[in-house]
Formats: sequence, structure tokens, C-alpha cells
Amino acid sequence: EDQVTQSPEALRLQEGESSSLNCSYTVSGLRGLFWYRQDPGKGPEFLFTLYSAGEEKEKERLKATLTKKESFLHITAPKPEDSATYLCAVQGVRDDKIIFGKGTRLHILP
Amino acid sequence: KAGVTQTPRYLIKTRGQQVTLSCSPISGHRSVSWYQQTPGQGLQFLFEYFSETQRNKGNFPGRFSGRQFSNSRSEMNVSTLELGDSALYLCASAPSESTDTQYFGPGTRLTVL
Repeated sequence: EDQVTQSPEALRLQEGESSSLNCSYTVSGLRGLFWYRQDPGKGPEFLFTLYSAGEEKEKERLKATLTKKESFLHITAPKPEDSATYLCAVQGVRDDKIIFGKGTRLHILP
Repeated sequence: KAGVTQTPRYLIKTRGQQVTLSCSPISGHRSVSWYQQTPGQGLQFLFEYFSETQRNKGNFPGRFSGRQFSNSRSEMNVSTLELGDSALYLCASAPSESTDTQYFGPGTRLTVL
């Protein structure tokens, strides 16, 4: 069964303190791995799609990387406005369903 | 370009009732997916529609159903509501059959009493 596990569940950082969020996945043939950001009371906002091991994508202070078993979302010199829940999801080739992890709640302290 | 809109934003129902939620995708998008989000289970896939056809379905009971109209607008229906159906229901649209990039609406918060 396809599975996504995100860690840590919650993370508090000081402004400017870089860190990484982890997304471990099990899927029978990866079609794509997705990262979303969700602010309280809003729907998820698309960040990245990664398709194959070794791929990397960047957007402002965020960089997503992918291996055959996990993905990392690296946050460099975060600011308070980066505080949000970050969701990881995978889509397998077997049935195309998108499976989400439970997310990492990130809080950046000024 | 307007984003995905969902109506109503908030809804309170009692057990045993039924409810219909509506989703209007981004103009030009033909794929619509529905998700249920709860604190315990997170985001769970309900179903996906493309060009009025259900392409995929999650592991939810038959009380959950949906449809898509020719203008790509979609509705989902939950019959015989249970307390556990209380959740945020999210709709997402994508420009093509590929759901690589989905754009989510703000959701409908359903409370079942």
C-alpha cells in the first residue's frame, strides 16, 4: 500500500535558522512527488513537483530534493512568513491516486 | 484569473441529513478532485473527475458521491451524515488530465451535530 510519512510533526525555528523537513514514501512506481504549503483556514498552495531521484527544485528560500525513498524540503534563512504547514504527497503509477502525508507544522519565531 | 471557488464555506448539519457541496474550477481547467481533511487523518482523496467522467475514487463509503457538469463545475454529495464526516472538504482543479499541478480552493467546513 502506498504510504507517506512526514517528520517532524512540528518544528519551531528562529528567524534565519535553516533546517529541513523530511518526507519518506513507499509507492509502487513513482509518478510524481508534490510539496504544498497550507496556511490556517486556507487550501493547500502548490510548491513543487519532483519526478525522479536526483531531481531538485528551488523557489525563493525553499529547495526540494528527491531520492528513491524520501524527499527533503530545505528551508534556508527562513522568515516568519514561512510559518505554515508543509504537506508532501505522492502519486503512483499503479492507480494515479494522490496520497498525502499528515504534514509538518513549521513555526518561525522573529 | 479567478481561483477555485467553493460554496458554501461553512455548513452545519445534523446526523442523518444529506449535504451537497459545490466547486467551480479555474476557468479552462477540466480536472476536478475532491479531498477530505481532518486533524486525525490529514488529507484523504475522495474522487477525481475529468470531462464529466469519474477517473479515480478513494476508499470512502458509497454515501460519498460526486459529479461533474459540462462546464467543469463539480458537486459532491454526502448522504446519511455521520459525526465522523465533520471535516474540511477541499476541491482542487488542474488544467489537464494530469494532476501534477493542482490548485486548491479554500474548502467547505462541514460540521455534523
